[in-house]
Amino acid sequence: QVQLVQSGAEVKKPGASVKVSCKASGYTFTSYGISWVRQAPGQGLEWMGWISAYNGNTNYAQKLQGRVTMTTDTSTSTAYMELRSLRSDDTAVYYCARVPAPYDYWGQGTLVTVSS
Amino acid sequence: DIQMTQSPSSLSASVGDRVTITCRASQGISNYLAWYQQKPGKVPKLLIYAASTLQSGVPSRFSGSGSGTDFTLTISSLQPEDVATYYCQKYNSASLTFGGGTKVEIK
Repeated sequence: QVQLVQSGAEVKKPGASVKVSCKASGYTFTSYGISWVRQAPGQGLEWMGWISAYNGNTNYAQKLQGRVTMTTDTSTSTAYMELRSLRSDDTAVYYCARVPAPYDYWGQGTLVTVSS
Repeated sequence: DIQMTQSPSSLSASVGDRVTITCRASQGISNYLAWYQQKPGKVPKLLIYAASTLQSGVPSRFSGSGSGTDFTLTISSLQPEDVATYYCQKYNSASLTFGGGTKVEIK
């Protein structure tokens, strides 16, 4: 069965970086992509971007351009999302989801807390 | 970028009521529209895709309609387990925006 398992919760200081992983299983990793979606406390879903696991092509939300990098490691079927220059409003649960949309499989979510 | 606007932002209805949520795109997106349900503390779940196709395993009381810029999600008979926030998402292009969400509660 398809599974996306994400790394554990992180606490970071403002200005730091965070890298969240999403390990896929149960399907051919390079036949799909991975998208990242975040949800601030009490807020809605925010699409962050996606990466093709086939060729590494990416598309990022304009709001995050320059601060976010999505990568994949096909040898371990793992996708990564790195967010830099963290601010308090980056505090959120970060989800990975299998691409293409619509998103039928999601990771369990990773809470990233940005606090001094 | 195409914006997705949902209304209402929240609603309260009685068990058995018919509930309708709307989602409007700022430009036409054909039928590239999905609906998700997110229960408190849980991962979003795909309900409907291609505007009106029910995802496998989703109860038939859920239905979707629309094309172009205007879409609706209908719950024909609201059940207690339907308490959740519902989101629309467009996926007609490389940028996949979500609507702001509609919180559904039981009166």
